[in-house]
Amino acid sequence: EDKVVQSPLSLVVHEGDTVTLNCSYEVTNFRSLLWYKQEKKAPTFLFMLTSSGIEKKSGRLSSILDKKELSSILNITATQTGDSAIYLCAVQYGNKLVFGAGTILRVKS
Amino acid sequence: SQTIHQWPATLVQPVGSPLSLECTVEGTSNPNLYWYRQAAGRGLQLLFYSVGIGQISSEVPQNLSASRPQDRQFILSSKKLLLSDSGFYLCAWSEGAGGQPQHFGDGTRLSIL
Repeated sequence: EDKVVQSPLSLVVHEGDTVTLNCSYEVTNFRSLLWYKQEKKAPTFLFMLTSSGIEKKSGRLSSILDKKELSSILNITATQTGDSAIYLCAVQYGNKLVFGAGTILRVKS
Repeated sequence: SQTIHQWPATLVQPVGSPLSLECTVEGTSNPNLYWYRQAAGRGLQLLFYSVGIGQISSEVPQNLSASRPQDRQFILSSKKLLLSDSGFYLCAWSEGAGGQPQHFGDGTRLSIL
């Protein structure tokens, strides 16, 4: 059965800290891995990774895929309270996504 | 630019009542459309997806059905709601070519009493 596992399930950090969120997967016919940020309502798209070892970066957020290890990490540097959210990892196969349970990040001021 | 609209935002329904949730996409043609359910503290579970008008794929057996009467309209329905149908329902779209990110609507929080 296809599955995506995220860790940790939740964490609390202070503003300015750096955090690393993990995602591992077992999916047949892997196409890409995606990261989303979910605050109160709609998950918003952050990154899509298809090639191993190539870092995607947007401001303080970055992500990299390791297809050999079937995993990805999402890094957030110099965290801010606005980074508090659920971070979802999803793996695409065909036209479909399978999601992990998410990591709940809380950034304290 | 493309936008996705989903309504209502919240809904409280009695057990055994019918359901209709609607989702529309603007600014694109022939999108792939998706319905997900998100239980508290869990990830998103794919319920249905559609690659074209009248084409619906069901991912899990359940009390719900989906329809796509127009290119950019996706409807989630039930004839008789169960308590277990409570949850947060999200509609999403992606470019029809495949391999593209999915983009989500704001969701409907459904409570069954």
